[in-house]
Amino acid sequence: RKEVEQDPGPFNVPEGATVAFNCTYSNSASQSFFWYRQDCRKEPKLLMSVYSSGNEDGRFTAQLNRASQYISLLIRDSKLSDSATYLCVVNRYNQGGKLIFGQGTELSVKP
Amino acid sequence: DAGVIQSPRHEVTEMGQEVTLRCKPISGHNSLFWYRQTMMRGLELLIYFNNNVPIDDSGMPEDRFSAKMPNASFSTLKIQPSEPRDSAVYFCASSSQAATDTQYFGPGTRLTVL
Repeated sequence: RKEVEQDPGPFNVPEGATVAFNCTYSNSASQSFFWYRQDCRKEPKLLMSVYSSGNEDGRFTAQLNRASQYISLLIRDSKLSDSATYLCVVNRYNQGGKLIFGQGTELSVKP
Repeated sequence: DAGVIQSPRHEVTEMGQEVTLRCKPISGHNSLFWYRQTMMRGLELLIYFNNNVPIDDSGMPEDRFSAKMPNASFSTLKIQPSEPRDSAVYFCASSSQAATDTQYFGPGTRLTVL
């Protein structure tokens, strides 16, 4: 079983739709959590950190449930430019900040 | 500010040849990470350095792979001899504090071993 698991998709949605991605992690020692975005043939870039209280950045909302070891990302009013792969990432400080990446969820937003 | 710089951007080589990938981290960052990305295995950490010292190389696949960081502004990842299964995109990333800070990725080197 992979340490960070995501539904690979692809998710094909129309513009304006709301889409949710889920992620589970298996190591309870994981201490911080992120969503990265990766465009086709580009490098991963930090989208947002994920906090236990939940956090929002414009159309993006991230949630963390430590008890269930579950992370989510909600995108509202999706745009064509949101098309990318979204990577769920956990960080273990006790291993010097080693980032563990999920396989990514591919999103395609259609006109 | 310049981001993480990697060279070459593309490399095509024949099996058995030595390959050297290069990385210049963001100035002032003291942690540097080498990752490999393939369709099958996703993004995997190979090795990381803190203050030029290798901290965790448990992800290095085998002895054919080696990495160095002779100073704060330069690192290399070497594969000798290369094999077709090494074909992947290799990313370098840097951060100001390994444990807690955001990692910034370079554009990657796309390696093809024939």
